[in-house]
Amino acid sequence: DGGITQSPKYLFRKEGQNVTLSCEQNLNHDAMYWYRQDPGQGLRLIYYSQIVNDFQKGDIAEGYSVSREKKESFPLTVTSAQKNPTAFYLCASSMGRILQETQYFGPGTRLLVL
Amino acid sequence: DQQVKQNSPSLSVQEGRISILNCDYTNSMFDYFLWYKKYPAEGPTFLISISSIKDKNEDGRFTVFLNKSAKHLSLHIVPSQPGDSAVYFCAASWPQKTNSGGSNYKLTFGKGTLLTVNP
Repeated sequence: DGGITQSPKYLFRKEGQNVTLSCEQNLNHDAMYWYRQDPGQGLRLIYYSQIVNDFQKGDIAEGYSVSREKKESFPLTVTSAQKNPTAFYLCASSMGRILQETQYFGPGTRLLVL
Repeated sequence: DQQVKQNSPSLSVQEGRISILNCDYTNSMFDYFLWYKKYPAEGPTFLISISSIKDKNEDGRFTVFLNKSAKHLSLHIVPSQPGDSAVYFCAASWPQKTNSGGSNYKLTFGKGTLLTVNP
């Protein structure tokens, strides 16, 4: 049963704390992405990775960091430098090898600041 | 600068009727367009896509039309069902070269349209 899993479903962050959101895929996809959704807004790209050990900043990378040590995993760390972290975070993946390809999304993690 | 625009935040239709969701874009480099459906607190689900070399793509009750000269695409749902009630996002992409010599396929999303299908 292939797919993308994100954990946890809900995450609470205290002031000054770093938190890490997990994203795992078993679709054998090369490319993975992190998006943020705010109420009434579209999805905005935070970071993306086309291949293991390589990643690029998206449109709103400040205050976030990522790693891509394994093909299946693309964790996102929300650092204390992110001043407005409350949002719904979505991970996606795609084959990464063809033109005009589709991204598939995980179920999301909602991050709340205490 | 919003490159993909969904100008209608919401749309309400009666069950059995046609739903038409619209999307406009400004970047003429976009060559692939997608529609996603999203329920609250869930990830978007891919619905249908269209390449810029086509002007229509159909999949069951869902049809996407692309008018390149007008930089406009639309999603038609016929007949609409209450289970179609969700937020629909339009997205677009074009292959961009990376510093490492490869290509990336970033998606640019609109802000979404909330479709409500009334029984």
